[in-house]
Amino acid sequence: SQQGEEDPQALSIQEGENATMNCSYKTSINNLQWYRQNSGRGLVHLILIRSNEREKHSGRLRVTLDTSKKSSSLLITASRAADTASYFCAPLTSGDDKIIFGKGTRLHILP
Amino acid sequence: DAGVTQSPTHLIKTRGQQVTLRCSPKSGHDTVSWYQQALGQGPQFIFQYYEEEERQRGNFPDRFSGHQFPNYSSELNVNALLLGDSALYLCASSSGGDLSYEQYFGPGTRLTVT
Repeated sequence: SQQGEEDPQALSIQEGENATMNCSYKTSINNLQWYRQNSGRGLVHLILIRSNEREKHSGRLRVTLDTSKKSSSLLITASRAADTASYFCAPLTSGDDKIIFGKGTRLHILP
Repeated sequence: DAGVTQSPTHLIKTRGQQVTLRCSPKSGHDTVSWYQQALGQGPQFIFQYYEEEERQRGNFPDRFSGHQFPNYSSELNVNALLLGDSALYLCASSSGGDLSYEQYFGPGTRLTVT
């Protein structure tokens, strides 16, 4: 198992703007997952992108994966107040039996 | 279909006491993982239970122990509580012990040690 490193650590944007956060990892993966955590609550699985995929969409979320650079990005379009949360990435290999989370990106949407 | 449930929601204990936290996995899931999340940090893996056995363990002392029951529900026990054990404890369920699939997290138990 390996830990993803999210960047930036914190991000503040105006409501309606797009938010982009990045994740880097060190060794090859089978898939990469993004999770969201609203303040003091459990994590919610947002999206899973497999190593043979370059881009994936889910509603206002767009995730890209560049395996050559060992990095992923999460784009949230037309941000809303409810998007205020911490976002974590999880780079995973088949057979991994634990997830090592980093500190995440804390996103704050300003009214 | 109920998702992952945890109890209690909040708990206040005194140093030196013992605590038991409970988790019921999502229907159809047989694997439970426990995480500790300190304020401002990401969740830290404590251990995973699959087929009623502890399969993996993070860097936590033996004061942290667990159990999985035949119905796949799980308990996390912490003995001799320290102030530093104050945290949000998260339970996550998945299937087949392979976490390369998505995990479903419960809402957490907020433990405060005074």
